[in-house]
Amino acid sequence: AQSVTQLDSHVSVSEGTPVLLRCNYSSSYSPSLFWYVQHPNKGLQLLLKYTSAATLVKGINGFEAEFKKSETSFHLTKPSAHMSDAAEYFCVVSFFSGGYNKLIFGAGTRLAVHP
Amino acid sequence: SAVISQKPSRDICQRGTSLTIQCQVDSQVTMMFWYRQQPGQSLTLIATANQGSEATYESGFVIDKFPISRPNLTFSTLTVSNMSPEDSSIYLCSVEVGGGARLSTDTQYFGPGTRLTVL
Repeated sequence: AQSVTQLDSHVSVSEGTPVLLRCNYSSSYSPSLFWYVQHPNKGLQLLLKYTSAATLVKGINGFEAEFKKSETSFHLTKPSAHMSDAAEYFCVVSFFSGGYNKLIFGAGTRLAVHP
Repeated sequence: SAVISQKPSRDICQRGTSLTIQCQVDSQVTMMFWYRQQPGQSLTLIATANQGSEATYESGFVIDKFPISRPNLTFSTLTVSNMSPEDSSIYLCSVEVGGGARLSTDTQYFGPGTRLTVL
């Protein structure tokens, strides 16, 4: 069975400091993994995706994530937080079932960035 | 990628009424999806809408409550029927974009959502 666990419901950082949002997954086979961001009153925007190519994936706005199979993790990082990064972040695993890709969403991590 | 629009962006409705949400995409896509995001919660898939066939509903969602239409490759509607306050949520549509081989690496792109409040 496929599942996603986001280890922190809330993360608070100061502007200019590193961001780490943690995600662990469970999958019966090689997964496709995604990070989406949702800003207040906005839809979901794709940050990055892992598709079994490079284990270190670079996304938009300076975010990146590293796929670690041995740890079943796909943590999202950014070297320096910006105020505009404050949003809800979702880790997602995708698997093919019944003729279509099914997305399983984590519970989300709310990132707060303080001046 | 894909550009997706939804109408209405938000609405406040009375219990017992129905609301139809429209989803328009700027390119032809095979698969469209409808999700619900309850207040403070993550996203839950309601159903998958494939053009030319009946929608496929996830466990806990039924066609009588959430009828879906998919008349062509760029448009879909979701109706929330006989609404109650428990239906207050954000409803999002998404489309799957990929290389055509329907792989797990295909990406879903989401619309801005419809924020529904039922009184």
